[in-house]
Amino acid sequence: QKEVEQDPGPLSVPEGAIVSLNCTYSNSAFQYFMWYRQYSRKGPELLMYTYSSGNKEDGRFTAQVDKSSKYISLFIRDSQPSDSATYLCAMSAENAGNNRKLIWGLGTSLAVNP
Amino acid sequence: DTGVSQDPRHKITKRGQNVTFRCDPISEHNRLYWYRQTLGQGPEFLTYFQNEAQLEKSRLLSNRFSAERPKGSFSTLEIQRTEQGDSAMYLCASSPPTPQETQYFGPGTRLLVL
Repeated sequence: QKEVEQDPGPLSVPEGAIVSLNCTYSNSAFQYFMWYRQYSRKGPELLMYTYSSGNKEDGRFTAQVDKSSKYISLFIRDSQPSDSATYLCAMSAENAGNNRKLIWGLGTSLAVNP
Repeated sequence: DTGVSQDPRHKITKRGQNVTFRCDPISEHNRLYWYRQTLGQGPEFLTYFQNEAQLEKSRLLSNRFSAERPKGSFSTLEIQRTEQGDSAMYLCASSPPTPQETQYFGPGTRLLVL
């Protein structure tokens, strides 16, 4: 079993839809949870960062962390064609030497259709 | 542009040749990470520096791979005697020494080994 599971999709939605993206994980030591957006042939771009449990909102994006269920979500409201990309969840724990290497999901490919 | 930069952006080489990639992190960031990403996969951790010290190296990194970060500024990743299986996107990320440390990625170097 992989440490982080993420459905690769693809996910196709109409413009304006609410998008829900999810990851599950197995390592209870993970404390830092991130969502990155990656356009084709580009490096990942940080979207949202959450420490421990709870919700965080930034514009049209909301990140949720449920540590009891080992489940994280990213919601995109009023989705736009420019949101079409691959969304990767990543998480880390505090390791020796402060190495917060990220453990990644596979990424979910999202297409928002005009 | 004050983001993470990587050079070259693309590299095509023949099997058996050596290649070297460079990463320039965000100037105030003391932590630097290298990841490798293949198509349809999330990035995989390769190695981590805190300042000039290489504190962790993945077992994925064979002895053909070496990374350095002299003076704790830019970093280089060298692959000796390249193999076709080395073809991937090589990503560099840097992060600041704060409790809410998050990693910011460069555009990546895409390597193709023929």
